Amino acid sequence: DAGVIQSPRHEVTEMGQEVTLRCKPISGHDYLFWYRQTMMRGLELLIYFNNNVPIDDSGMPEDRFSAKMPNASFSTLKIQPSEPRDSAVYFCASSLRLRSYEQYFGPGTRLTVT
Amino acid sequence: RKEVEQDPGPFNVPEGATVAFNCTYSNSASQSFFWYRQDCRKEPKLLMSVYSSGNEDGRFTAQLNRASQYISLLIRDSKLSDSATYLCVVNQKSNYQLIWGAGTKLIIKP
Repeated sequence: DAGVIQSPRHEVTEMGQEVTLRCKPISGHDYLFWYRQTMMRGLELLIYFNNNVPIDDSGMPEDRFSAKMPNASFSTLKIQPSEPRDSAVYFCASSLRLRSYEQYFGPGTRLTVT
Repeated sequence: RKEVEQDPGPFNVPEGATVAFNCTYSNSASQSFFWYRQDCRKEPKLLMSVYSSGNEDGRFTAQLNRASQYISLLIRDSKLSDSATYLCVVNQKSNYQLIWGAGTKLIIKP
């Protein structure tokens, strides 16, 4: 069975450009999480969904960030406009409700904003 | 103060040695505890849960001390492949969020 799939794996963009990160969770998982990881701040939860519904977006840094989950097999994280301080690795993870602590992470998207 | 604190290391340990590191948490309402492992430039993966009575999985032993609010991870007979960053994770069960420590970097030397 395929794990969590993320695309692109690497993204280099210029400041001010729109960036869209994509995630396909493990089939049957009902929770989806978006994280950001940097050396300075470690792993930060940005937002999570339950059954495609956003539950807590308090970790989203600011209005430039938005996330959607139009169906159970797809989610996007969009940054518009991007800034150099958004450079980080963005992970998507999914889990089953009854084992919510066991989160399966995708390989991450390494974003560089110049 | 961070909710979950770990010594960032790195811990440089010779192969075959035993190594242990701790993690402290600030919220006494925390109910579930876990160790995740993250290899360099890879995603985190669940290593083991930490139970109140302590638990062992092969060379790995996890302990919980609720009174002092810390958990520990002990690795015996360390292997080169144990080199990674070990993330301490806490859950309050009031929601499905995990609170992550910044990680302890472990380097096993031949």
